[in-house]
This record gives sequence, C-alpha cells and structure tokens, in this order.
Amino acid sequence: ETVLTQFPGTLSLSPGERATLSCRASQSVRSRYFAWYQQKPGQAPRLLIYGVSSRATGIPDRFSGSGSGTDFTLTISRLEPEDFAVYYCQQYGNSPRTFGQGTKVEIK
Amino acid sequence: EVQLVESGGGLVQPGGSLRLSCAASGFTFSNYWLSWVRQAPGKGLEWVGNMKEDGSYTNYVDSVKGRFSISRDNPKSSLYLQMNSLRAEDTAVYYCARDGVGGYFDLWGQGTLVTVSS
Repeated sequence: ETVLTQFPGTLSLSPGERATLSCRASQSVRSRYFAWYQQKPGQAPRLLIYGVSSRATGIPDRFSGSGSGTDFTLTISRLEPEDFAVYYCQQYGNSPRTFGQGTKVEIK
Repeated sequence: EVQLVESGGGLVQPGGSLRLSCAASGFTFSNYWLSWVRQAPGKGLEWVGNMKEDGSYTNYVDSVKGRFSISRDNPKSSLYLQMNSLRAEDTAVYYCARDGVGGYFDLWGQGTLVTVSS
C-alpha cells in the first residue's frame, strides 16, 4: 500500500497569504494519478485538483497543484476566508487508492 | 441537480449487519464506476471499495474483504453497500463517491453515519 504523509499537520496563516501544502508518497505514484480535496466541518470532501495539476470544475485559479514521483504540492496563492479547511491528498495510480492524513489550514 | 444521497446508517451491535444505499440523480449513472469511502470520527479518509459501470467487477480494501459487498441497480440509479460482521473499527461516516478517470472522486454524497457499538 502506498502511504501518503502530509505536512505540515497544521498551517496557521492570515487571509491573503500564500499556503503551501506538501504530500510525500512512500513509493512512486504511477501516471500522475494524484488528487487534492478540501473538506470543511460537517461537509463531504470536495475535489480540487486531479491528475497532479488539473483543476476540477468550478475551482478558482488560486488553487494549483504540482509534483511528480513521490513529492506533490498544493498551493493556494492568496488565502480567502472560505479556504480555511482541511486538505487531503490522494493517489490513485497504485492499488489500493490511499489518502493522506490531512493538513488543517487555520486562521492565524 | 447532479447529486448522490446516502441512506441507511445507524447504530448496530458488533457482529451485526447493515445495508447502505446511495441514490444518484442528474447524470447517467450507468456510465460511471462508483465507490464507497469512509471517514472514522475525527480521522482521515479511507477508500472502501468500488464497482464497475455494469456491475461486473468489484474491488475492496483488504480490511473489508469477505465482510462487505457492493452492488448496484442501474435502472434505479442506486449503489449499495452490504456490511456484515461489523466491528467497532468500522464506525465511520460512509460516503458514496463517483469515480473520475483513473480513480479520483469528482462527486460525493453527504455521507451516512454508521456506529458499531454494544
């Protein structure tokens, strides 16, 4: 199983700041099959990024994804108030599909 | 509206059974693989299993193999999760999710809570 480790566990930032979230895989992820999700309290996760860097429908361009192999990054260029949430990475190139443990982006 | 709506969660004793349902609307259900994903209270996400568009293939995470079974009824646009021999560690919110190309999840239901406790 491919273990995904997200860091930091918590990111304390102010609105307008840049957020950089990282995810490291225990083995190389096949075929750029990597995604990011946002989850707010009491809600289902929402797809942000798939295929490492493709934004899902309706996702603003302040969200961007990058990376390859075992190291992946989600960047939020300027945090808006609605962006404070928990973010999960997911790989779907290796079986079984796995998620990271999450990074909480909180208001500083 | 494109949506997935789960139902059937509740409190069940260890060793018991429960069947979850997921009703889809707003898209052509029979064109998509569908998955179940769960989230234990205060924890992260875990993919449970999925089923091919025509119901001919299923895949499960090791921790539920032999205990959980996924099925679907395409004319009714519904997905099901039969859970047997339930354990305390199966306590979670269970989400129905639509598979995107390759295996990301591009549409999620609101989830249904399953609590396994005596």
